[in-house]
Amino acid sequence: DGGITQSPKYLFRKEGQNVTLSCEQNLNHDAMYWYRQDPGQGLRLIYYSQIVNDFQKGDIAEGYSVSREKKESFPLTVTSAQKNPTAFYLCASSTGGYGINKQYFGPGTRLTVT
Amino acid sequence: AQSVTQLGSHVSVSEGALVLLRCNYSSSVPPYLFWYVQYPNQGLQLLLKYTTGATLVKGINGFEAEFKKSETSFHLTKPSAHMSDAAEYFCAVSDLGSSNTGKLIFGQGTTLQVKP
Repeated sequence: DGGITQSPKYLFRKEGQNVTLSCEQNLNHDAMYWYRQDPGQGLRLIYYSQIVNDFQKGDIAEGYSVSREKKESFPLTVTSAQKNPTAFYLCASSTGGYGINKQYFGPGTRLTVT
Repeated sequence: AQSVTQLGSHVSVSEGALVLLRCNYSSSVPPYLFWYVQYPNQGLQLLLKYTTGATLVKGINGFEAEFKKSETSFHLTKPSAHMSDAAEYFCAVSDLGSSNTGKLIFGQGTTLQVKP
């Protein structure tokens, strides 16, 4: 079955540590996205990539980094510079990055930093 | 710049009653609009989308939405609520301005509670 996988589902880290969240898709989609979800704030875009080896900052990129070395993979690193990293992180992909295409979402990773 | 406002962070209905979730948007260009549903601790699933053409859009699970340009609205409805409809619902507009990045701008979400 095609889809998006995110791992792990739950992640716990100590403050000051960097952590990388995995996102893999086998849908052959060009575009991939990372969102952060906090209660009452909807989803906010962290980074997006419309093609391999290229990515752009979203609305809340500070304290995060990404790479897009392969079409299937778009890992997100939450660095120690991110002030409030505890959140639910969602990865998505679409066939193209031009707004009309459905975004497919992964199941999410809940990160807790203490 | 595009934006989305969902009126009401929580909506409660009885099973069998009409579901109405409100969404208003702001866009400088003809909008592409979406409704997504999220069940607890899961990702989002597309319910329906409006791009062009017919303004009444039918989606999955019996939901539909009507695009009203004059009211800048895209409200989601379902004639009869089921217990399984309890979830969080997000309205979104696509960023189709000059940047044309395909970004989705989401509303704050509305939690639907269905009472027996």
